[in-house]
Amino acid sequence: KAGVTQTPRYLIKTRGQQVTLSCSPISGHRSVSWYQQTPGQGLQFLFEYFSETQRNKGNFPGRFSGRQFSNSRSEMNVSTLELGDSALYLCASSGNRGWGTEAFFGQGTRLTVV
Amino acid sequence: QQQVKQSPQSLIVQKGGISIINCAYENTAFDYFPWYQQFPGKGPALLIAIRPDVSEKKEGRFTISFNKSAKQFSLHIMDSQPGDSATYFCAAKSGGSYIPTFGRGTSLIVHP
Repeated sequence: KAGVTQTPRYLIKTRGQQVTLSCSPISGHRSVSWYQQTPGQGLQFLFEYFSETQRNKGNFPGRFSGRQFSNSRSEMNVSTLELGDSALYLCASSGNRGWGTEAFFGQGTRLTVV
Repeated sequence: QQQVKQSPQSLIVQKGGISIINCAYENTAFDYFPWYQQFPGKGPALLIAIRPDVSEKKEGRFTISFNKSAKQFSLHIMDSQPGDSATYFCAAKSGGSYIPTFGRGTSLIVHP
């Protein structure tokens, strides 16, 4: 069973540009969540999508947006990039809401804004 | 508002020593407490998890201790090895949710 796939693995962008990151969840998983990871800040929750609908949203500015497609693949977009957006962006998928179900993470996309 | 507080932020342990990471939560609806381990360049992966009706769970050298009344839980790594050097995240989730709430992580370095 293939794991969570994130593309690209590395990205360098210039301030002011926009970027789109992609996440393919584990087959059958309908929940996809996105996290920003920076040193000292841990895993900051961005948003969660389920069946193409955003169900939860973290405390990030509107420059951060996402969407989910009918095949559960998800994209995250950051517009008007700032230097502080440099981070590892992680995607996680989950198949159930019950006790004991875990979130499976991809390897992340390392975004560097220069 | 941080719902899961994790400490310490970093930890240095000698090989063979015990590593202890602590977490505290606020939301009494949480009923699943996983720990994730993350190596450099990788995403976090589930290490061990516990539910609140159990006070301790052990898997090999890794043990979770859970104190429901204090709303605290901790990870103990016995006989710590250099290969255990990683970032550890505690998390908490309620049964009605797909996604856990994470602590800020602990960077563990085990010196040989």
